[in-house]
Amino acid sequence: GAGVSQTPSNKVTEKGKYVELRCDPISGHTALYWYRQSLGQGPEFLIYFQGTGAADDSGLPNDRFFAVRPEGSVSTLKIQRTERGDSAVYLCASSPTSIRDTQYFGPGTRLTVL
Amino acid sequence: GNSVTQMEGPVTLSEEAFLTINCTYTATGYPSLFWYVQYPGEGLQLLLKATKADDKGSNKGFEATYRKETTSFHLEKGSVQVSDSAVYFCALSDQGGGADGLTFGKGTHLIIQP
Repeated sequence: GAGVSQTPSNKVTEKGKYVELRCDPISGHTALYWYRQSLGQGPEFLIYFQGTGAADDSGLPNDRFFAVRPEGSVSTLKIQRTERGDSAVYLCASSPTSIRDTQYFGPGTRLTVL
Repeated sequence: GNSVTQMEGPVTLSEEAFLTINCTYTATGYPSLFWYVQYPGEGLQLLLKATKADDKGSNKGFEATYRKETTSFHLEKGSVQVSDSAVYFCALSDQGGGADGLTFGKGTHLIIQP
């Protein structure tokens, strides 16, 4: 079946602009995660959704970052007033029911802030 | 807080050599441990996992044993192939405390020469 998909695959924006990154999880997966991977580093946890609600947003770096999952399926990560330090690959993952399950990762969105 | 430390790369080996990639962890609760692999141009894939002490995860000839006494989860393979060239990430999921996402190491780039 289809895996986790993310759009766009690449996004170039200017400092100060607003961006939205989209994640389509595997069908039926109730748990969804966002991570950020900077060059030469491992992925860093940002936020975890269980259904429509954010069960853990402790990894969001500041209030410029926000994520939603209004119908419990597709999720959007929103970044306001982008900064050059936000440049990274943003990864989405989903798992069947909870954090105890294996997470399946999407290909990522490479965000470049000029 | 939780953390994962893995050996720095790149690690360069000849085909059929024995592989060890060291991984140690710090966790506040009772973690599950994972190795993820990222092949060139592809997304993160789960390679193997272990959910409790003394469990051994194995897949594609790779093995890792969950050692609680040494807080380690070293990845081994008896005879590597060129196709094993990739970046390997050790990770933990701490269901007894800390954030609900995976905590990753920085990754080890493995290069296998024919």
